[in-house]
Amino acid sequence: AQSVAQPEDQVNVAEGNPLTVKCTYSVSGNPYLFWYVQYPNRGLQFLLKYITGDNLVKGSYGFEAEFNKSQTSFHLKKPSALVSDSALYFCAVREWYGNAGNMLTFGGGTRLMVKP
Amino acid sequence: KAGVTQTPRYLIKTRGQQVTLSCSPISGHRSVSWYQQTPGQGLQFLFEYFSETQRNKGNFPGRFSGRQFSNSRSEMNVSTLELGDSALYLCASSLGLEVGTEAFFGQGTRLTVV
Repeated sequence: AQSVAQPEDQVNVAEGNPLTVKCTYSVSGNPYLFWYVQYPNRGLQFLLKYITGDNLVKGSYGFEAEFNKSQTSFHLKKPSALVSDSALYFCAVREWYGNAGNMLTFGGGTRLMVKP
Repeated sequence: KAGVTQTPRYLIKTRGQQVTLSCSPISGHRSVSWYQQTPGQGLQFLFEYFSETQRNKGNFPGRFSGRQFSNSRSEMNVSTLELGDSALYLCASSLGLEVGTEAFFGQGTRLTVV
């Protein structure tokens, strides 16, 4: 069974500093990894995904993520944080079940607080 | 291009009642999935539909059911509501079943059971 862990419930960073939100995963086959962000009283917004290819994936709003197969990690990063980046971030892994479709398994979420 | 639309946005129901939530996917998307989000359990997969067929189901009791129509719109139903069913229910649509395809989420329906 697939699983995702986000070891930090909350990450605090000052505006302008780099940020990292950590994610580790466990899958039996190839990992298909996603990051989503959730603002208060809103649904999830897609940020970026790793399917195959370059280990550094670039996404929306200046975010990027680094895939590390040996460490089974997919950390979300941004070189310079903005106050408006403050939100709840979810890492997810998708596993394929053939004709049975597929499903996303989410981590518990990490609250990012960016202070001015 | 319109996003995923979920109705209603908010709902208050009494224990024992039933409820139906609606989801209209992005135009052209044929796969619809449902997730339950609670503070204690986080985001949990309910079920996935493609071409009017349920393709996958999460670990939820039979009180939770769903369906998909020929226009890809989907509904989920919860019967005999319990207090623990209070949650944000999120619908996501994808172009197809390809594993690398990202899912786009609606704003959710917040269900409160009293």
